[in-house]
Amino acid sequence: EVQLVESGGGLVQPGRSLKLSCLASGFTFSNYGMNWIRQAPGKGLEWVASISSSSSYIYYADTVKGRFTISRDNAKNTLYLQMTSLRSEDTALYYCARHPLDYWGQGVMVTVSS
Amino acid sequence: DIVMTQAPLSVSVTPGESASISCRSSKSLLHSNGITYVYWYLQKPGKSPQLLIYRMSNLASGVPDRFSGSGSETDFTLKISRVEAEDVGIYYCGQLLENPTWTFGGGTKLELK
Repeated sequence: EVQLVESGGGLVQPGRSLKLSCLASGFTFSNYGMNWIRQAPGKGLEWVASISSSSSYIYYADTVKGRFTISRDNAKNTLYLQMTSLRSEDTALYYCARHPLDYWGQGVMVTVSS
Repeated sequence: DIVMTQAPLSVSVTPGESASISCRSSKSLLHSNGITYVYWYLQKPGKSPQLLIYRMSNLASGVPDRFSGSGSETDFTLKISRVEAEDVGIYYCGQLLENPTWTFGGGTKLELK
């Protein structure tokens, strides 16, 4: 069974940093591209970032480019999202999802507030 | 960026009846490889989104065949036949033409009468 379990969320002040993790199981992690998708409270889905299976290709939404860094460790079956210079508008539930978004984690909440 | 527009914002359906949700893209989603890169997701209350339809008309694994997807290059429809209580939630269309970047429609809320 494919499982994706996010962790690392929480309450953080504007301008600070936070790192999310997503532990994958039930499939060969190193064979799949991975994504981060977020959902602000009461809002729709917003794609954040994607990384290819070998980390050769990385893409970001314009709203996070230069502030967020997606990475992965295939030996640990783990996807990461390093978030810096956080803003209130980054407050959202962050999901990791296997490409092409066929499996999603349960999400982890990030709240940016003073 | 490709904009995805869904309609209606919400739909109320009698159990056992059918429902249709529309999605329009600002650009053709038909790739030169012949694949139309539109996807449909259902987010049940308090849950993560789940894949229903991929590449416009292909049913995802484990999804009841009451769900079907169709469309053209820019106009797409998700049809749910014989709506059941478990179908309640918010439906999103998404596009993957410029792989791997995604954009999504604003969502359509399905409720039961």
